[in-house]
Amino acid sequence: GAGVSQSPSNKVTEKGKDVELRCDPISGHTALYWYRQRLGQGLEFLIYFQGNSAPDKSGLPSDRFSAERTGESVSTLTIQRTQQEDSAVYLCASSSYKNTGELFFGEGSRLTVL
Amino acid sequence: AQTVTQSQPEMSVQEAETVTLSCTYDTSESNYYLFWYKQPPSRQMILVIRQEAYKQQNATENRFSVNFQKAAKSFSLKISDSQLGDTAMYFCAFMNLQGGSEKLVFGKGTKLTVNP
Repeated sequence: GAGVSQSPSNKVTEKGKDVELRCDPISGHTALYWYRQRLGQGLEFLIYFQGNSAPDKSGLPSDRFSAERTGESVSTLTIQRTQQEDSAVYLCASSSYKNTGELFFGEGSRLTVL
Repeated sequence: AQTVTQSQPEMSVQEAETVTLSCTYDTSESNYYLFWYKQPPSRQMILVIRQEAYKQQNATENRFSVNFQKAAKSFSLKISDSQLGDTAMYFCAFMNLQGGSEKLVFGKGTKLTVNP
């Protein structure tokens, strides 16, 4: 596609439920990032995938959070047993080695945990 | 670990005037990139400008320029001839090019409002 696509754009769930957020990066982009942005706050790094290398998971806040990516395709961020503090916008971005550092962001998935 | 600090949570400027947004960072590395990203109210982030640490010359993109002071670990963004469309959150970001993981670390942002 032309840009980074994320789904769903909005998700409302009940505390304790599991949610899956999807990111479809720009075709050919080897790197994919997940960030969390709480209301009015900055971007909190969650996880980084680069090609077939082991991902950098250093930002995942707890073992309730996990993410997968197969090769250079779609990524899924899963949050298990959601808590109210998980409410945030989850942003995905991708980038190419040809333009190091320029991340192309999706519009985000807004998660609300009731 | 690298940290990025933006000390101005909010700023405002009159249309056509110049404004400078501050950013400092902390790292022990020598090879890195610095960035300013813009997040308009529609929330999609876009790159404004990038600076390679090994370059002494300050980066410039049209009305946007940076003042990169490597020794002071300072990286400010100057917006000249401010326009209403410049109203957005601005995030300073750091990427270490050594050590394997090229994750981007962001500051907490500065909310800029351009007034007519």
